[in-house]
Amino acid sequence: GAVVSQHPSRVICKSGTSVKIECRSLDFQATTMFWYRQFPKQSLMLMATSNEGSKATYEQGVEKDKFLINHASLTLSTLTVTSAHPEDSSFYICSATGQGAREAFFGQGTRLTV
Amino acid sequence: GEDVEQSLFLSVREGDSSVINCTYTDSSSTYLYWYKQEPGAGLQLLTYIFSNMDMKQDQRLTVLLNKKDKHLSLRIADTQTGDSAIYFCAEGSGGSYIPTFGRGTSLIVHP
Repeated sequence: GAVVSQHPSRVICKSGTSVKIECRSLDFQATTMFWYRQFPKQSLMLMATSNEGSKATYEQGVEKDKFLINHASLTLSTLTVTSAHPEDSSFYICSATGQGAREAFFGQGTRLTV
Repeated sequence: GEDVEQSLFLSVREGDSSVINCTYTDSSSTYLYWYKQEPGAGLQLLTYIFSNMDMKQDQRLTVLLNKKDKHLSLRIADTQTGDSAIYFCAEGSGGSYIPTFGRGTSLIVHP
């Protein structure tokens, strides 16, 4: 299947700093990318959906100024956690899908510890 | 309640069959998916089934769909220790892929 690479796999930062997570589709054009946050009891929460070249659509309750998403090209989307605090510590996962696709491919996830 | 529901844990003995169940609420669901997540990793699509199908089999995996009851199951035959993971059920509808995930079922395979 197609490959989605997420980087870094693990990051530890100080409270108040910003962290950028990258999600790249390596062998296909990702017209849509999704960002999820996974909580300790397994549930996967969709944070936002981004289409290449347009602003991301955030799910209700997700602060767009806190979680900045950029999808500037067909192969790269970034999630920046601004002014991170301990409550932002979590496992963040991206996925990507191509035009007309009925499945998405997931990155390996990023473990953020603040 | 949640749109997609799954039990959180399942424990089976190696060599036995595992059956993971899922219920969903959206009657317009077009696709139903099963994903596998190994520890510390992203999700891997195992299989998916169209809503107009009742069953799909792929090697050790069998997916059963009861559309009337909105019930989906994943059966893993001859379960191995390498099958230990979290299994997510998801449903998608409409013209674009934005699945709704269940909370995941943690499958534990013991000798």
